Amino acid sequence: EAGVAQSPRYKIIEKRQSVAFWCNPISGHATLYWYQQILGQGPKLLIQFQNNGVVDDSQLPKDRFSAERLKGVDSTLKIQPAKLEDSAVYLCASSFPGPRFDEQYFGPGTRLTVT
Amino acid sequence: QKEVEQNSGPLSVPEGAIASLNCTYSDRGSQSFFWYRQYSGKSPELIMFIYSNGDKEDGRFTAQLNKASQYVSLLIRDSQPSDSATYLCAVKGNFNKFYFGSGTKLNVKP
Repeated sequence: EAGVAQSPRYKIIEKRQSVAFWCNPISGHATLYWYQQILGQGPKLLIQFQNNGVVDDSQLPKDRFSAERLKGVDSTLKIQPAKLEDSAVYLCASSFPGPRFDEQYFGPGTRLTVT
Repeated sequence: QKEVEQNSGPLSVPEGAIASLNCTYSDRGSQSFFWYRQYSGKSPELIMFIYSNGDKEDGRFTAQLNKASQYVSLLIRDSQPSDSATYLCAVKGNFNKFYFGSGTKLNVKP
């Protein structure tokens, strides 16, 4: 079974530029999460999708961050414009529907450096 | 107050010893509790989860939950150098929101 795929793995941009991250969840996983993990901290949930609907985006800085999950499969997370404090690893995770809903499987992450 | 609190460590234990990792949570309505292992430069990996009071054992790992004290722990028996990693405690609270602690770094010395 293929895991959660993310790209790119690394990205370096200047502040005020824009950037987009892509995530392909495990096949059949209905729930998809985007997390931000700043060095030395635990992951912080940015947005959670159930199929292609948003379940929770309360911690997403909506003035600069946006995310979509078209057709309930792949998802993209965008930052525009980026700030220095956005430097972090952006993790995508997915989980099964039903009883195994809570078991989140993480992708390798995208390490973003904003200079 | 953070939703999930963990001692950042590092916690150092000799090979073969029991490592005890702890976390506390603030939301009394929390329903599910998880332990993730994260090696340096890698993404988190789910190793244990527990829903109800008491202990849950899986191989060398035991998760313990005390809802009255809002306290979760992870015991690793016969610790191995390969267990050296950061252990993240996560809690699913009200409205199905997930919160992670900042993690405890474990060093197992050969």
